[in-house]
Amino acid sequence: GQNIDQPTEMTATEGAIVQINCTYQTSGFNGLFWYQQHAGEAPTFLSYNVLDGLEEKGRFSSFLSRSKGYSYLLLKELQMKDSASYLCAVREGGSYIPTFGRGTSLIVHP
Amino acid sequence: DGGITQSPKYLFRKEGQNVTLSCEQNLNHDAMYWYRQDPGQGLRLIYYSQIVNDFQKGDIAEGYSVSREKKESFPLTVTSAQKNPTAFYLCASSMDRGNTIYFGEGSWLTVV
Repeated sequence: GQNIDQPTEMTATEGAIVQINCTYQTSGFNGLFWYQQHAGEAPTFLSYNVLDGLEEKGRFSSFLSRSKGYSYLLLKELQMKDSASYLCAVREGGSYIPTFGRGTSLIVHP
Repeated sequence: DGGITQSPKYLFRKEGQNVTLSCEQNLNHDAMYWYRQDPGQGLRLIYYSQIVNDFQKGDIAEGYSVSREKKESFPLTVTSAQKNPTAFYLCASSMDRGNTIYFGEGSWLTVV
């Protein structure tokens, strides 16, 4: 099985940078996903990491360290519309279906 | 436009009734999934299907049933055996096993 930990809630100021961490324990690792979910809506795919390092995609970047069982999602130039829940999902070796963490609720205030 | 369509968006069920949630995708994806989401919880996998006429139980399959008679359709039936069915239900699909999972807009089920 897997154990995925994310902070429950974070707050940040519009225009700032925020880092959302995700730690995981797994018997084998086969990829990590980040999704964004606005309240009452479906999750939308943000990023996928399977190798160590940083993947940048516009204002969003995702980092992975497999040896540390650690990932973060970095959001730059925060906007009010970034207020949402951010879900970390880890795929374990031998399975093709990721397991989701409980999500981090990000509140962006003016 | 290609996508995943779930219906209905909102559904109310009386205790003891079965209800079916529809999920249709026109992405030509082989794999389809059903998740359940409760407040403060992560997404939990109910059932998944890799190909037509084949499906597997997920982590919380009890009280649910599915069928996969067509590639584009994966309906979920919430039976009266499901003790706490009130939740947000998400259908998803991926090109094939191992690829990124994409979600439909979700269905809210409330037991009254």
